Amino acid sequence: GAVVSQHPSWVICKSGTSVKIECRSLDFQATTMFWYRQFPKQSLMLMATSNEGSKATYEQGVEKDKFLINHASLTLSTLTVTSAHPEDSSFYICSAPGTGASWGNIQYFGAGTRLSVL
Amino acid sequence: GEDVEQSLFLSVREGDSSVINCTYTDSSSTYLYWYKQEPGAGLQLLTYIFSNMDMKQDQRLTVLLNKKDKHLSLRIADTQTGDSAIYFCAESMGGKLIFGQGTELSVKP
Repeated sequence: GAVVSQHPSWVICKSGTSVKIECRSLDFQATTMFWYRQFPKQSLMLMATSNEGSKATYEQGVEKDKFLINHASLTLSTLTVTSAHPEDSSFYICSAPGTGASWGNIQYFGAGTRLSVL
Repeated sequence: GEDVEQSLFLSVREGDSSVINCTYTDSSSTYLYWYKQEPGAGLQLLTYIFSNMDMKQDQRLTVLLNKKDKHLSLRIADTQTGDSAIYFCAESMGGKLIFGQGTELSVKP
């Protein structure tokens, strides 16, 4: 099956710093990737859709300048949390839809990144 | 609107069957999914069902779909302690996944 690799798995940073999270599709190409945020004991909330070669599409209420998304290649999307604050502490998960007729409707998820901002 | 709902908790004894229920809102959803999330981990796709199917069985997992009532269920036969996790149902809308709140399954020995 398709594998999505996400790094780092856990990051602790000081308030005011920026953190970059990487999401890679390892054995398939992904022109689209999705970034989710999950608070403890809650569901996944879609933050944005990352589009290769073009601007990301953000969901309502998500600050574009706060959460910078770059999808520079067919296998890599990055999410940068700029000037992180404690309220940004959360579990961030990326996903990518598989390719092909049967895969195309399946999203494969990374293992997630736990961000703790002190 | 976009709303997928699940009960929050389910507790069963090892060896029993577990049934996790989900209701969704978009009747045009082509696929419906069940994902499993273990503590601190990402989501693992368990199974999915195409909207023109009523049932799908995969080893210990059985998915039932009632399109009329927009109701989806996941049955886990012979539930094991390793099945303890949070289970999310999701519907696809315009390429995006809309998730339910997740059902925390606790399996007691």
